[in-house]
Amino acid sequence: GEDVEQSLFLSVREGDSSVINCTYTDSSSTYLYWYKQEPGAGLQLLTYIFSNMDMKQDQRLTVLLNKKDKHLSLRIADTQTGDSAIYFCAELNQAGTALIFGKGTTLSVSS
Amino acid sequence: DAGVTQSPTHLIKTRGQQVTLRCSPKSGHDTVSWYQQALGQGPQFIFQYYEEEERQRGNFPDRFSGHQFPNYSSELNVNALLLGDSALYLCASRTGTRIYEQYFGPGTRLTVT
Repeated sequence: GEDVEQSLFLSVREGDSSVINCTYTDSSSTYLYWYKQEPGAGLQLLTYIFSNMDMKQDQRLTVLLNKKDKHLSLRIADTQTGDSAIYFCAELNQAGTALIFGKGTTLSVSS
Repeated sequence: DAGVTQSPTHLIKTRGQQVTLRCSPKSGHDTVSWYQQALGQGPQFIFQYYEEEERQRGNFPDRFSGHQFPNYSSELNVNALLLGDSALYLCASRTGTRIYEQYFGPGTRLTVT
């Protein structure tokens, strides 16, 4: 079945790079996503990648996809305190109707 | 351009009661999905509505029902509330063509006592 796994916590210092990792099980997933959730808020779409791509870069964000290992990562360059949040990895299900989410990685940035 | 909006922001109900949550999709979007996010968990898919019909349903009991109106807005109804229904309920919208861009609203925090 479809399942998404993430490490639960990451702590970095301001100015460092952060790398958040995710593994998924559905090899037929067409799109994979990173969402950000700040306390008490909804989900903000950060970026997504199509399964035929290996990498996507958007300003400070770099997404790497290893389809063979079903591994997705999000790198945040020059991490700021405002990046502190929960980051969710998600895959689009086979029917293209639902997002399957991991449990989220809490990123804590210290100054 | 207004994003996805949801009402109310917070709600407190008693076990056994019924609740209705509302969602207006982002302008230009015609497909609405509902998700339940329990504390400390990732969102779980409840169902999706398109052209006023339920298109797909997640693993939720039929106490959870929904509706989509001609203007694409949607309601989520939950009957016979249980303590375990306490969660953040998120609405997401997208277009039928750009299925890969799904935007979420701020959510409704439901507390069942």
